[in-house]
Amino acid sequence: AQSVTQLDSQVPVFEEAPVELRCNYSSSVSVYLFWYVQYPNQGLQLLLKYLSGSTLVKGINGFEAEFNKSQTSFHLRKPSVHISDTAEYFCAVRTFNQAGTALIFGKGTTLSVSS
Amino acid sequence: KAGVTQTPRYLIKTRGQQVTLSCSPISGHRSVSWYQQTPGQGLQFLFEYFSETQRNKGNFPGRFSGRQFSNSRSEMNVSTLELGDSALYLCASSPGWGINQPQHFGDGTRLSIL
Repeated sequence: AQSVTQLDSQVPVFEEAPVELRCNYSSSVSVYLFWYVQYPNQGLQLLLKYLSGSTLVKGINGFEAEFNKSQTSFHLRKPSVHISDTAEYFCAVRTFNQAGTALIFGKGTTLSVSS
Repeated sequence: KAGVTQTPRYLIKTRGQQVTLSCSPISGHRSVSWYQQTPGQGLQFLFEYFSETQRNKGNFPGRFSGRQFSNSRSEMNVSTLELGDSALYLCASSPGWGINQPQHFGDGTRLSIL
């Protein structure tokens, strides 16, 4: 069965510093990969997705992620974070052999940006 | 374009009661999925509906049920509520039913069981 592991539950970082949120997935078949962000008392907002093509994916708010098939990873990066990036980030996967649109999520990473 | 709308936003119930949550998808979206979010278990898939038919179901007891109407709006019902059902319930909609369809989430219904 497929699974998603977010390697860090909490990532503290100073404003304007770079950040990487790590995500590894486990699947024996090809996958689609997603990163979502959740602000307090809100639902999930899609940051970016990898469906096919270029392994470097650019998303909203200056975030990008790189799909690495050999390492089964999909790490999220931002070169310079802002206070407003403080939120919880979820990596999610969907496999080619499944039916429908259901997502399997990691446990989430809380990004805390301080000045 | 209006986003996914979930009502109510907050709900307080007692053990043994039942509850119905509502989700209106983005206009034109025909697929609706439901997720449960708790601090301990994280985000877990409940079920998915497309064209008024349940297409996929997660690993939840039969107390959790849902349905979808002809206008794509969806409801989920939880009967005989337990303390462990306290959670944020998120609804997500997609234009169609396919693995390359991104999901768009509502702000959720926070259910508290006393």
